[in-house]
Amino acid sequence: DAGVIQSPRHEVTEMGQEVTLRCKPISGHNSLFWYRQTMMRGLELLIYFNNNVPIDDSGMPEDRFSAKMPNASFSTLKIQPSEPRDSAVYFCASSHRTSGNEQFFGPGTRLTVL
Amino acid sequence: QQQVKQSPQSLIVQKGGIPIINCAYENTAFDYFPWYQQFPGKGPALLIAIRPDVSEKKEGRFTISFNKSAKQFSLHIMDSQPGDSATYFCAAQNAGNNRKLIWGLGTSLAVNP
Repeated sequence: DAGVIQSPRHEVTEMGQEVTLRCKPISGHNSLFWYRQTMMRGLELLIYFNNNVPIDDSGMPEDRFSAKMPNASFSTLKIQPSEPRDSAVYFCASSHRTSGNEQFFGPGTRLTVL
Repeated sequence: QQQVKQSPQSLIVQKGGIPIINCAYENTAFDYFPWYQQFPGKGPALLIAIRPDVSEKKEGRFTISFNKSAKQFSLHIMDSQPGDSATYFCAAQNAGNNRKLIWGLGTSLAVNP
């Protein structure tokens, strides 16, 4: 398996623009997690899905952030409008009960908002 | 509110030393405690994990020590190598709370040659 796939790997945009991050979980995994990592706040869980359904979005910073999982093999995290304080590395991770509690992380998307 | 407190924030040891990273938690409902390792430019990856029914678990040079009464657990790296230089995260999970992990803030470890 190719592991969790994220795109793009790097994104540079200007304040006010819409940003869409994409994630393809490992095939067969039924839980998907979106994280944000910064030096100041560490690794923060933004939202996670079980069987394509959002279970906990309490970590989503504000209404500018939204996430969808239209099917078991694809998820998006959208920021609209983006702000400089959104600059961070965004990780997607997936897991399945048969793999225990282990979360498998993608390589991340480094977002820079100018 | 930080439910899992990790220390130290950074750590430097010489090759062959035994770095120790500590974590403390508050929620007694937590029943799964993993450690993840992250190299620069990569996502975190599971290193080793423990459940509270045992006090210690070893996998190669990595050992978790768990103290249920003190609500603390720690990672020990025996015979540390420069290749162990990475950021280490502890986490905790409540099985009754779906699959959400509560993360520590991470420890940046540097092992000097």
